[in-house]
Amino acid sequence: GNSVTQMEGPVTLSEEAFLTINCTYTATGYPSLFWYVQYPGEGLQLLLKATKADDKGSNKGFEATYRKETTSFHLEKGSVQVSDSAVYFCALVGGGSNYKLTFGKGTLLTVNP
Amino acid sequence: NAGVTQTPKFQVLKTGQSMTLQCAQDMNHNSMYWYRQDPGMGLRLIYYSASEGTTDKGEVPNGYNVSRLNKREFSLRLESAAPSQTSVYFCASSEERGTDTQYFGPGTRLTVL
Repeated sequence: GNSVTQMEGPVTLSEEAFLTINCTYTATGYPSLFWYVQYPGEGLQLLLKATKADDKGSNKGFEATYRKETTSFHLEKGSVQVSDSAVYFCALVGGGSNYKLTFGKGTLLTVNP
Repeated sequence: NAGVTQTPKFQVLKTGQSMTLQCAQDMNHNSMYWYRQDPGMGLRLIYYSASEGTTDKGEVPNGYNVSRLNKREFSLRLESAAPSQTSVYFCASSEERGTDTQYFGPGTRLTVL
């Protein structure tokens, strides 16, 4: 079946630091890959996505590249802000199902001023 | 547009009680989903409805039933609540398949004593 593994948290950074959250996946076929973000007390919202190999998703300064050869979709941001503090989820759809989002366990990011 | 709305926001039940979680979307989406979120587990799909009139089991359907009342509404019912069902429940919707962006509601925090 499909699975997503993302780095354990929590991650604590200072403002303007570089962020990387690693995500690797297992799936058959050609899944679509997503990063969702959950701010405190809220539901999840899409941060970025990529639907085929070598695609780069980007939004709000965050980027992730779909690497089929390494089955990875790492999230990066060059300079984090306090407002980026949230839980980040890597997820995929595909590999035999077009409806079921499979999530990683989430990574809590805290950015200190 | 309200997006995806869920009621109630919070609920406390005793073991064996029943309740229905309500979800509605105003984006004219075809597909709707119910997830549960537990600490360290990410989100897991309970049931989904690919289109009006259809429902299918997800990863963790035991102890739950769903109804796709119409295109807008998708309810989740716990017939006999158990402490293991203590969780945060999220409803989501997407235009068609899961490869489309899924939009999440704010969640229902359920405690079963």
